[in-house]
Amino acid sequence: AQKVTQAQTEISVVEKEDVTLDCVYETRDTTYYLFWYKQPPSGELVFLIRRNSFDEQNEISGRYSWNFQKSTSSFNFTITASQVVDSAVYFCALSEPRSGNTGKLIFGQGTTLQVKP
Amino acid sequence: EAGVAQSPRYKIIEKRQSVAFWCNPISGHATLYWYQQILGQGPKLLIQFQNNGVVDDSQLPKDRFSAERLKGVDSTLKIQPAKLEDSAVYLCASSVRQTGSTIYFGEGSWLTVV
Repeated sequence: AQKVTQAQTEISVVEKEDVTLDCVYETRDTTYYLFWYKQPPSGELVFLIRRNSFDEQNEISGRYSWNFQKSTSSFNFTITASQVVDSAVYFCALSEPRSGNTGKLIFGQGTTLQVKP
Repeated sequence: EAGVAQSPRYKIIEKRQSVAFWCNPISGHATLYWYQQILGQGPKLLIQFQNNGVVDDSQLPKDRFSAERLKGVDSTLKIQPAKLEDSAVYLCASSVRQTGSTIYFGEGSWLTVV
């Protein structure tokens, strides 16, 4: 069965600290997609990254980086030199696009990140 | 490019009343989703449309929830009669195709049932 686990419910850091948000997923499919979304207080889910199961290269985008490890079924997200504007709820999600599946997103419970000045 | 538009942003109703939410997806996006997000939880899919056909409504409480996408563009989600446990954010999202593409979300419609 599909499942996404974000074990960290809340994380609090001081500005400029690095922080890593953990995501562990379960799937029986060999083809799948993983996503990270950011949800600020306004409520909109902002797309951050999509990674397919055949691409295990780590990705860096500015202060954001993602570490995808199929061996441990993890897709962790690191923010370097955190800023107050990074404060939000972050969701990891899984999609299985194979025939018979609808491709819908299965979300984790979310991790609330608070960055203090 | 305009994002996913939703209205109203906020709604407060009494239990047993009805409410409707509207969504306009990103232009050219064939797939439209309605997700329900209860406070403190991740979003959960209610219904998924491919053009104007329903692909997945397995978690839609059909005794009180209904949704349509008549012309394959805009969509409306209705709740009648509302219950206290329907208090949540209703997120509309869209994607170019059903699988393998990024899903973009609107700002959500916040519903409080009192």
